[in-house]
Amino acid sequence: DAKTTQPPSMDCAEGRAANLPCNHSTISGNEYVYWYRQIHSQGPQYIIHGLKNNETNEMASLIITEDRKSSTLILPHATLRDTAVYYCIVRPRTLIQGAQKLVFGQGTRLTINP
Amino acid sequence: EAQVTQNPRYLITVTGKKLTVTCSQNMNHEYMSWYRQDPGLGLRQIYYSMNVEVTDKGDVPEGYKVSRKEKRNFPLILESPSPNQTSLYFCASVKTSQGGLYEQYFGPGTRLTVT
Repeated sequence: DAKTTQPPSMDCAEGRAANLPCNHSTISGNEYVYWYRQIHSQGPQYIIHGLKNNETNEMASLIITEDRKSSTLILPHATLRDTAVYYCIVRPRTLIQGAQKLVFGQGTRLTINP
Repeated sequence: EAQVTQNPRYLITVTGKKLTVTCSQNMNHEYMSWYRQDPGLGLRQIYYSMNVEVTDKGDVPEGYKVSRKEKRNFPLILESPSPNQTSLYFCASVKTSQGGLYEQYFGPGTRLTVT
């Protein structure tokens, strides 16, 4: 899996947009960008994924640069419940043996302040 | 509601006393995995299963066993627990479709302490 680099921590005011960056300069053509988050000691929660187009769902938006070497997860109106560690992961999507394994790095600890 | 359940959620046990952590999913997923999470080490895969009766080792399988006799259940067995298996354990199942992998659904976690 391609290595990802994220800032160790970020702060954001409640109600503002939280923008979490991720660098994945060695991503290969068949690898997708996935975002998960983990609220203190709970099971990681899937947020969103994308290949090269920007994606949006009810939780967040994912902006991937044209060269695919970096991406940004956007939480449009952050709430206190969004305080968590956010993980950016790149991996292939094909059903090869072991491909379903997620390799979590250190992630970004996002704190939403009232 | 689509979910992955684990039991027990918390367990304190003694060295050498066999234990089983159960995992069940109601989404008919073929892929299931077990992870352990330790401070500073992130999430590490213990075992995974691609379907019924098909299991394989992950990155840290020593001291663990698994079985997959039916699609919905994937128990984790510690035959002789040791203190270095004190950890937070997560079960996960993976949605797949037409040769592609989608998101993983994680259980709530089992915090195990071995004294």
